[in-house]
Amino acid sequence: QSVLTQAPSASGTPGQRVTISCSGSSSNIGNNYVYWYQQLPGTAPKLLIYRNNQRPSGVPDRFSGSKSGTSASLAISGLRSEDEADYYCAVWDDSLSGQVFGGGTKLTVL
Amino acid sequence: QLQLQESGPGLVKPSETLSLTCTVSGGSISSSTYYWGWIRQPPGKGLEWIGSISYSGSTYYNPSLKSRVTISVDTSKNTFSLKLTSVTAADTAVYYCMGAAPGTGVDYWGQGTLVTVSS
Repeated sequence: QSVLTQAPSASGTPGQRVTISCSGSSSNIGNNYVYWYQQLPGTAPKLLIYRNNQRPSGVPDRFSGSKSGTSASLAISGLRSEDEADYYCAVWDDSLSGQVFGGGTKLTVL
Repeated sequence: QLQLQESGPGLVKPSETLSLTCTVSGGSISSSTYYWGWIRQPPGKGLEWIGSISYSGSTYYNPSLKSRVTISVDTSKNTFSLKLTSVTAADTAVYYCMGAAPGTGVDYWGQGTLVTVSS
């Protein structure tokens, strides 16, 4: 059981906007930067968002991140079939003195 | 552009020590720009942070694994390593090595290596 809570699944149709949420606490999301990773089947995770809402070079602006209090969200607009993947939030937890991952959300593009 | 590659046994017996090495190419492991870490993923499950090491040698470990984990750097070989002692079947996972430059959005991952714990 992760200290970060994500819904196990989400879905959307091509072109739609979907949001994936990550809920934590004051010791993690409430006090530290949130990161989001995309993992396509059989591949290593790829950094999508760092420092709550920053996109690494090469990540399309269809992907955006936000944080409010002890929760964070990843939004994907203009959904495409290639966005079908697992998405994980990650953050440093001060109480655990370590990084924690959310349980992951499997996004299906219908 | 860094490249990372994990290496090590794909099969480890219960109660033995899992040892993996990550070879870094395209840059120096001694660079103060990066920290290095290990993450694992049991089959069909989510990601679990194992630990990380900074260029200065400071280490940070997952509290649930701390008593069994050691991460170290070998600057002469441009590699960093993971040792996990007293393994059980629950340690069966794909193990990823990664390097990241804090605050820059730059990180690099190995392709991952499956380690199975079985007699």
